[in-house]
Amino acid sequence: GNSVTQMEGPVTLSEEAFLTINCTYTATGYPSLFWYVQYPGEGLQLLLKATKADDKGSNKGFEATYRKETTSFHLEKGSVQVSDSAVYFCALSDRRRSSASKIIFGSGTRLSIRP
Amino acid sequence: GAVVSQHPSWVICKSGTSVKIECRSLDFQATTMFWYRQFPKQSLMLMATSNEGSKATYEQGVEKDKFLINHASLTLSTLTVTSAHPEDSSFYICSALRTGRWGYTFGSGTRLTVV
Repeated sequence: GNSVTQMEGPVTLSEEAFLTINCTYTATGYPSLFWYVQYPGEGLQLLLKATKADDKGSNKGFEATYRKETTSFHLEKGSVQVSDSAVYFCALSDRRRSSASKIIFGSGTRLSIRP
Repeated sequence: GAVVSQHPSWVICKSGTSVKIECRSLDFQATTMFWYRQFPKQSLMLMATSNEGSKATYEQGVEKDKFLINHASLTLSTLTVTSAHPEDSSFYICSALRTGRWGYTFGSGTRLTVV
């Protein structure tokens, strides 16, 4: 079945450091890939997405490229801020025509940024 | 943009009582809604898929009689935790899929504490 594996946290970085959170997936067909962010005490917000191979999703300085050859969707940001401290979830969704697609989440990576 | 309201945001109840959580799509119709459960520092686990006007589809291991789901209209799905016990304490999140479109919007979550 479909699954998502992302690097375990917590990840602690200093402000303005470069961020990479690794994510790999297993899926049949051509899933869509997402990164969601969850700030303390809140629900999930979609951060970015990519729907086909070689697509790059980007938002708020974060980027991730859909790599079919390596089945990866690593999240990157060139210079993190304290406000980026949150839990980040990599996720995938298959695209079944006959019914609504489920989203499968990775285990989440807690990111803490030091001032 | 699409907004999903989840209510209440937190609730404390006594063991043996039932708790109802509402998930409303405020500015769009949602044929399908999903209910997730999140344990502390863990990922979201899909509990069930709720379809308007029909029975919910539960994931393996989720007790149907324990977690009652009703999706009576295109803008409202409810999750009722019946005869709650302390082990039901968790963070419950819903998401809604816009009818005829592709994209998921998450509610802000409900923290349930059973004492």
